Amino acid sequence: AQSVTQLGSHVSVSEGALVLLRCNYSSSVPPYLFWYVQYPNQGLQLLLKYTSAATLVKGINGFEAEFKKSETSFHLTKPSAHMSDAAEYFCAAFLGAGSYQLTFGKGTKLSVIP
Amino acid sequence: EAQVTQNPRYLITVTGKKLTVTCSQNMNHEYMSWYRQDPGLGLRQIYYSMNVEVTDKGDVPEGYKVSRKEKRNFPLILESPSPNQTSLYFCASSSNRDPRNTQYFGPGTRLTVL
Repeated sequence: AQSVTQLGSHVSVSEGALVLLRCNYSSSVPPYLFWYVQYPNQGLQLLLKYTSAATLVKGINGFEAEFKKSETSFHLTKPSAHMSDAAEYFCAAFLGAGSYQLTFGKGTKLSVIP
Repeated sequence: EAQVTQNPRYLITVTGKKLTVTCSQNMNHEYMSWYRQDPGLGLRQIYYSMNVEVTDKGDVPEGYKVSRKEKRNFPLILESPSPNQTSLYFCASSSNRDPRNTQYFGPGTRLTVL
């Protein structure tokens, strides 16, 4: 079955440390991939997206993600965590040829320790 | 300001009492969608619409209805709500050129069914 899997429902990092949030997908064709962020009591905001152009995608707030077809992954990274990065992060994808149904991972809650 | 609006933002109701959650966008988007968010499950798509009078089921359509009579509006209808429909609901819309572009999310509607 085609799916999006986020490894780790909770991730804690120290302020200034590397942030790495993992996302793997299962799809019969190259997907369109997205990372969204949700701050407490707010809606979802797009961080970045991959749509088959460059494999390294830069987003807002210093985040970036690399599409690796061989590993079916689209991990989100940020070199130095800031307290304001504490939020829940969702990986999402349009899977399958001609799919217009957006599939989300279950989310990873990021905590930043001062 | 380009935005997706939802009303109401908070709703407490009782089992079996029909309700409608409205969604409206001012970006002339053709694609609109409804999701529900539950702890540990991420976001799951309920219904989506590619255009006026065109709707399709998502992953969890049971117990919900939608209609798309106007381009800007996409109401979600619960004809006989049950406690398992207690959730946080998001409406989203995206560009009419390619629905796999960025989806813009509304602020959410928190529904409690007693």
